[in-house]
Amino acid sequence: SQTIHQWPATLVQPVGSPLSLECTVEGTSNPNLYWYRQAAGRGLQLLFYSVGIGQISSEVPQNLSASRPQDRQFILSSKKLLLSDSGFYLCAWAPGVGTQYFGPGTRLLVL
Amino acid sequence: SQELEQSPQSLIVQEGKNLTINCTSSKTLYGLYWYKQKYGEGLIFLMMLQKGGEEKSHEKITAKLDEKKQQSSLHITASQPSHAGIYLCGAAGEPAGGTSYGKLTFGQGTILTVHP
Repeated sequence: SQTIHQWPATLVQPVGSPLSLECTVEGTSNPNLYWYRQAAGRGLQLLFYSVGIGQISSEVPQNLSASRPQDRQFILSSKKLLLSDSGFYLCAWAPGVGTQYFGPGTRLLVL
Repeated sequence: SQELEQSPQSLIVQEGKNLTINCTSSKTLYGLYWYKQKYGEGLIFLMMLQKGGEEKSHEKITAKLDEKKQQSSLHITASQPSHAGIYLCGAAGEPAGGTSYGKLTFGQGTILTVHP
């Protein structure tokens, strides 16, 4: 069966510091991968998606970037965090364009 | 771009009561997904609807997609405290195989509280 992991679960970072959030998927190959941000525990905003290694599409221009160095690894990064980057970050995978399955999330607090 | 509006934004019910959550789209829905989220956790997939008039059930939860494929409802029968959480609808804005690569737009969520 497929599983999706996110690391770390919680992160507190100062403004201006770098960021690296990791998402890994097990039990499947060549998944579509997605990064979302959820603010105030409500709706999800799609940040990036990837249909293959090295292929990244950005939905919202901002302070963040994404990379997919391996088939089942998706990384969300920032060189300098802003206060507005605080939120709950969710990674999801899908077998092509089918149902998306979500990871447990990473809560980021920027102080 | 497609927008999804959920109603109500929050709902408080007594255990055992029935309830309905609605999700309305400004455009045709080519795939409507319902998820449940516990606070601070990831989303759990509930059901997916694709055809106009389609209805699916799982345990005490029933989801429907209207004939025009612009509105979906989620109905919970005899609610229990375990049903509490945030319910989100997500939708694909074009048919599978298009250039959207499975991207979903989500509603703002409905917070459900069930009092024992």
